[in-house]
Amino acid sequence: KAGVTQTPRYLIKTRGQQVTLSCSPISGHRSVSWYQQTPGQGLQFLFEYFSETQRNKGNFPGRFSGRQFSNSRSEMNVSTLELGDSALYLCASRVGDEQFFGPGTRLTVL
Amino acid sequence: QKEVEQDPGPLSVPEGAIVSLNCTYSNSAFQYFMWYRQYSRKGPELLMYTYSSGNKEDGRFTAQVDKSSKYISLFIRDSQPSDSATYLCAMSVMPGTYKYIFGTGTRLKVLA
Repeated sequence: KAGVTQTPRYLIKTRGQQVTLSCSPISGHRSVSWYQQTPGQGLQFLFEYFSETQRNKGNFPGRFSGRQFSNSRSEMNVSTLELGDSALYLCASRVGDEQFFGPGTRLTVL
Repeated sequence: QKEVEQDPGPLSVPEGAIVSLNCTYSNSAFQYFMWYRQYSRKGPELLMYTYSSGNKEDGRFTAQVDKSSKYISLFIRDSQPSDSATYLCAMSVMPGTYKYIFGTGTRLKVLA
């Protein structure tokens, strides 16, 4: 069974630009969560989607948004990028209480 | 104060040692506790999860939860160089929400 896949794996953007990250969950998983990982703050929850509806949201500004499609694939968008948005963005799909992470997208904002 | 505190390490141990990794938390509503392992340039992988106080064993790994002290531990017996990774604790309030709160991770290096 294929794991969680994320594209692209690496991105370099400049301040003020926007970016869209993509996540394909494990087949059959309907829940997708997004996390930001930085050395100082660790893994921080962004939001969770289930059956195309946002169910939970972390404490991030409105520049961070997401959506989920009918096939459970999810995208995350960050608008007006700031230097502090440089991080590893992880997507996780869940079935029951077990959450499985993808390899992440490394975003660098210059 | 963060909801979940974890010593960042790094922790260096010789091969074969018993490793103890710990997290403390402040939210008494947390009911579901997890340990993840993350190798460099990879996403975290789930090692163990538990709902209850006490010990849960899986091979060389033992997860321990003490809800009265708001303290969880992961023990690794007979540690191997392949165990070198960052270990993340995570927890959530159950039931109802899957907003997992993670510790910042402890870097472990097992020396051959």
